[in-house]
Amino acid sequence: DTGVSQNPRHKITKRGQNVTFRCDPISEHNRLYWYRQTLGQGPEFLTYFQNEAQLEKSRLLSDRFSAERPKGSFSTLEIQRTEQGDSAMYLCASSLVKGSHSPLHFGNGTRLTVT
Amino acid sequence: KQEVTQIPAALSVPEGENLVLNCSFTDSAIYNLQWFRQDPGKGLTSLLLIQSSQREQTSGRLNASLDKSSGRSTLYIAASQPGDSATYLCAVIYSGAGSYQLTFGKGTKLSVIP
Repeated sequence: DTGVSQNPRHKITKRGQNVTFRCDPISEHNRLYWYRQTLGQGPEFLTYFQNEAQLEKSRLLSDRFSAERPKGSFSTLEIQRTEQGDSAMYLCASSLVKGSHSPLHFGNGTRLTVT
Repeated sequence: KQEVTQIPAALSVPEGENLVLNCSFTDSAIYNLQWFRQDPGKGLTSLLLIQSSQREQTSGRLNASLDKSSGRSTLYIAASQPGDSATYLCAVIYSGAGSYQLTFGKGTKLSVIP
């Protein structure tokens, strides 16, 4: 399978705990994005990487959120001191950008439930 | 701030019918517009991408059009099938301020009745 892979698929955690999600993009893609989606809404942009550089962060990304893409391949998204409002589907996407934008390819997401 | 609106929020049609989903955006300065499909509890599947210089794209039974000047896009689905039932999302990349984030609408939930 050469699509975008996200792990875990589901995560249930207690308020105040830290969680980390992993995304493996399509191998030749140089851009990697994180989005968050709540029920009945479209995905909202969180951050994106060009290779290993984090180039843009949304104001939605509070200080409790941190994302890394250390070698320009897989990425991790960590949420510290989780709150109930963090419950959502976290989606990762990747694309290949050479001059113009190519379609974004999304993974199946990690569904986070904070109790 | 770029806003994307999709109407209707939900649509139910009998199998075999042709249908049109609508998407509008507030700022015509876009790089491209992309249509996605999302099945319940799953991620998004890219259907069609239209660059800002293009007017339409076709893939199988799907045809997407783009009218930048009026801030509108439509997704036409021919001869609908029950397997087309899903939520359809449109999203734009706004070319202002060097941002490359996709801004999504809330989607249209399509049900195709056998």
